[in-house]
Amino acid sequence: EAQVTQNPRYLITVTGKKLTVTCSQNMNHEYMSWYRQDPGLGLRQIYYSMNVEVTDKGDVPEGYKVSRKEKRNFPLILESPSPNQTSLYFCASSWGAGANVLTFGAGSRLTVL
Amino acid sequence: AQTVTQSQPEMSVQEAETVTLSCTYDTSESDYYLFWYKQPPSRQMILVIRQEAYKQQNATENRFSVNFQKAAKSFSLKISDSQLGDAAMYFCAYRSATQYNFNKFYFGSGTKLNVKP
Repeated sequence: EAQVTQNPRYLITVTGKKLTVTCSQNMNHEYMSWYRQDPGLGLRQIYYSMNVEVTDKGDVPEGYKVSRKEKRNFPLILESPSPNQTSLYFCASSWGAGANVLTFGAGSRLTVL
Repeated sequence: AQTVTQSQPEMSVQEAETVTLSCTYDTSESDYYLFWYKQPPSRQMILVIRQEAYKQQNATENRFSVNFQKAAKSFSLKISDSQLGDAAMYFCAYRSATQYNFNKFYFGSGTKLNVKP
């Protein structure tokens, strides 16, 4: 089944404790991206990647890092999480640009205490 | 940067009736793509419909159709014969078609749709 898999689905952590949210897709998609969803703000793009070793910032990149060492994986790293990073996170992928539809993961609910 | 505005935080519709969700966007670009995504309580994001800006014909997918007004920068979603399963949060999204911006997606704040039996 074609899908985007995120882990963990739920996580409660404390301020400053580094964490990684993994994202993997099995569709050989070139484009992958991360979003955070907050009430009243919709989804905002954090980072995106057009291919292996090619990443760039979205609208809200502060406090996050990403890497794309393999085409299928695009982990999101929070080096020193803070409470304002408490949010619902989505990973998504698609074939390149244009009207190609984003396929989303199931979301990761992160709480930073 | 482009902005997408959904001015209706929440709406309600009676089962079997028709409802229209509004979306406006701000851009100086002439070529772009627009999408509506549905997010049910499961949180999964599901594509409802998409529209290419260069197409004048409004997109239709079964009970879902859009009213795309390019000059007005408006992209509303009409749901006909509403069903209980349509209850969800709906997000309008914009993607540029230009070489320099096509990697970025912009989403509206969402409209929560309630369907009454």
